[in-house]
Order: sequence, then C-alpha cells, then structure tokens
Amino acid sequence: SQKIEQNSEALNIQEGKTATLTCNYTNYSPAYLQWYRQDPGRGPVFLLLIRENEKEKRKERLKVTFDTTLKQSLFHITASQPADSATYLCALLNSGYSTLTFGKGTMLLVSP
Amino acid sequence: NAGVMQNPRHLVRRRGQEARLRCSPMKGHSHVYWYRQLPEEGLKFMVYLQKENIIDESGMPKERFSAEFPKEGPSILRIQQVVRGDSAAYFCASSPLRQGADGANVLTFGAGSRLTVL
Repeated sequence: SQKIEQNSEALNIQEGKTATLTCNYTNYSPAYLQWYRQDPGRGPVFLLLIRENEKEKRKERLKVTFDTTLKQSLFHITASQPADSATYLCALLNSGYSTLTFGKGTMLLVSP
Repeated sequence: NAGVMQNPRHLVRRRGQEARLRCSPMKGHSHVYWYRQLPEEGLKFMVYLQKENIIDESGMPKERFSAEFPKEGPSILRIQQVVRGDSAAYFCASSPLRQGADGANVLTFGAGSRLTVL
C-alpha cells in the first residue's frame, strides 16, 4: 500500500540548532515533493518544492533534499528560532495524478 | 488579494442536520481542492473541482457528501445528515493550474472550517 511517513513524535530542539525533519514514502513515484508549515488553527502554508530530478533546494534558512533511491526527503531549518515552532507537512504528487497527498506531519518545538 | 476565504470558520450542527461549507479561491485560481483533517490525522484529500466540473472525487465518502463549484460563486462542500464522525477541520485550497500540469504548482490553503457535530 502507499504510505507517506513522518515522525509522529514532536522534535524538541534548542534555539540556534539545526532542525531536521524526515519524510519517507513507499509505493509512490512522485513527480515532485512539497513541504508545508501548519500553525495551530490555521491552514498549511507552502514552503518549498523539490522535483524528482533535483537533489537539493534552499530558501533562506530552509533546505530540502530529495533522494528517490532511498524514497526520502529531509527538511532542514538552520539557526532555528522559537517562531519556527509549528507542524511541518510533506506532500507529494504521484506521477500521472493531479492531487497532492500529505503526510501526517511532524511537530517542531524550538525552545529559547 | 484576500487569499482563499472559507466560511464559516466554526460550525456546530446536531446529528442529522446539514452542513454547508463555502470556499472562495484566490483571485485568478480556477482549481479548488477540499481536504479533511481529523485530530492526530493528516490532511486527507476529498475532492478536486474546476468551475462547473468535478475532476476527482476519489476521496469523497460515497454517501451524504457532495461538492460543487458553480460558474458564479464559491465552491460548496455539503454534508447531509451529519454524524459525530464528521467532526473535523475542512480545508479548501486553490491553485492557478492543475497540479502537475507544468510540473510545479502549489496549493494556497484557507484557514479552514471547523465542524462540530453534537
């Protein structure tokens, strides 16, 4: 069966450290993978997109890697801040389909 | 640009009543997606619509749920004869192009409508 797996346990880190979140998938052939941020009581907000033929993407303090052999994407936030505390969702578009499928998300808590 | 507007933000219904959730996409966006989010669960795709067309409803329950996106006006997600299990946050998202049409498209989400069934 198709699965998108993200760590269900919250990730607790200290301010200034690098947060690394994992997204693993099985039985998908994603055309691309996206990362979203969701705050409590709000809708998800798009952060980054990485295509199947790209290894790495960066945007300010954010970095995403995509390994189609391992079927894994890593999402990094460098120099993390308490304001980065949120739930981060990965989502992928399976080749030939027209709708995004989301993982359950990982909550990140950055303490001062 | 007001973004994706959803209303009501909160809706309380008794079992057996009907719930209607509305979504106005971002200006210039003609593709609308509805997702449902249960506590401790991820976003689950329900339906994808373009103006006057349902493109993909593979995530919609077979009974009691329907969706439309008329030529004029917002998209509507309708739940008839609600049950307690329908309590959830319902998110609408829009995009200017079909996902995957150019290989790179993202969703803009609304703030969600939270349905509570008593």
